[in-house]
Order: sequence, then C-alpha cells, then structure tokens
Amino acid sequence: AQKVTQAQTEISVVEKEDVTLDCVYETRDTTYYLFWYKQPPSGELVFLIRRNSFDEQNEISGRYSWNFQKSTSSFNFTITASQVVDSAVYFCALKGTGKLIFGTGTRLQVFP
Amino acid sequence: ETGVTQTPRHLVMGMTNKKSLKCEQHLGHNAMYWYKQSAKKPLELMFVYSLEERVENNSVPSRFSPECPNSSHLFLHLHTLQPEDSALYLCASSQRGPKGSGANVLTFGAGSRLTVL
Repeated sequence: AQKVTQAQTEISVVEKEDVTLDCVYETRDTTYYLFWYKQPPSGELVFLIRRNSFDEQNEISGRYSWNFQKSTSSFNFTITASQVVDSAVYFCALKGTGKLIFGTGTRLQVFP
Repeated sequence: ETGVTQTPRHLVMGMTNKKSLKCEQHLGHNAMYWYKQSAKKPLELMFVYSLEERVENNSVPSRFSPECPNSSHLFLHLHTLQPEDSALYLCASSQRGPKGSGANVLTFGAGSRLTVL
C-alpha cells in the first residue's frame, strides 16, 4: 500500500523565521516520484518540485529547499526566511506504479 | 486565457437540482482530471481522461457524471447530490507520456466550491 503522511496539520511562524514541513511516505515500489504542491487561498494547487527515487540530491531553489532521505522515507521541505506570501496549504504527494497519492496537507501561516 | 480555468467558482444547489462544473485547459495537454478536496482529507482522484477516453474511475457514485468532449474541455455533471458531496472540486491537466515514462506534473485550476443543501 502507498501512503503519504504529513503529521503537521498547521504551523504558524513569524516572518523571517525558517520553517520545515515534514513528509513521510510508504511504498514498496523501487521507482517512484515525490512531489510538493502549494495551495494558496486562491485555490489552485501550484507545482513546486518533483524528485524521482533514484535522485537523492537535495535541491535548493531560492528560499525553498528539499531534503530527500530514502533511509527514513522522508521528503521534507524547508522555507528559509519565510514571508507572508508563503502562507498556504502545502501538499506532499507520491506516485509509484499506482495513482498519485496526496498527503492531507500542512497549513502554513506566516505572520508579519 | 492561460492555464486551467474552472467555472463556476462557487455553486450552491439543492439535493434535487442538476448542475454542471466546467473545466477548460489552454496548455495543449492530453489528459484531464477531476479531484475532490474535502476538509481534513487527502485529495481524492475521481476521474481521469486521456485523449478524451476515460481511463480511470475511482468508485465514484453515479450521481457524478463526467464528460470530455475534446482534449481541452472537461465537465462534471451533478444530479441528486447529497450534503456530504459539498467540497472543492479541482480540475487538473497534464501531458501524459508513454506508460513508464515518469510521473507527469499536474496543472490545477482554482476549483469550484460546491455546497449541497
């Protein structure tokens, strides 16, 4: 069975703080893909990143960084120096041989 | 218009009404999807259309009826819904490659917020 767990339901930080959103996944597939999407208040999910299971290199894109660790089945997402515009619900997702599976999301609120 | 457009953005209907949700994508993608988003639950995939053929139907009740007349348009026809069907319905599109070519990235619309009274 495939599963994505985002244990943090809601996180609140003050602007300029760093914040890490956790994602733990379960799969028996050897080839799979992991995603992060952002859902701002406007509603549409916005794609942030896709990684395949053979690429464990961490990635940095501006203030965003991702830490993929197969040993712990985790794909965590860190926002450095958070801003109010980062306030959104963030979803982690997994695609193996079956359909794309989403976690329940983490709501991030960044206060000025 | 660019991206994926959904109309209406908000819909309130009674249990005996018939209504439709519309989705249009301007990205030249060959696959379209309907997802249901309820509070505190993961996104639930409802239907997938690839090249206008329905390729997935995830045990969705027959009161939801999808239609894909061409690769740019997707509808979700609603009839005799229940209050528990109230949710945000998200449409998405993607460019599907051959099987095994990797997981494609979805582009989502802003959703249609449905309330069933």
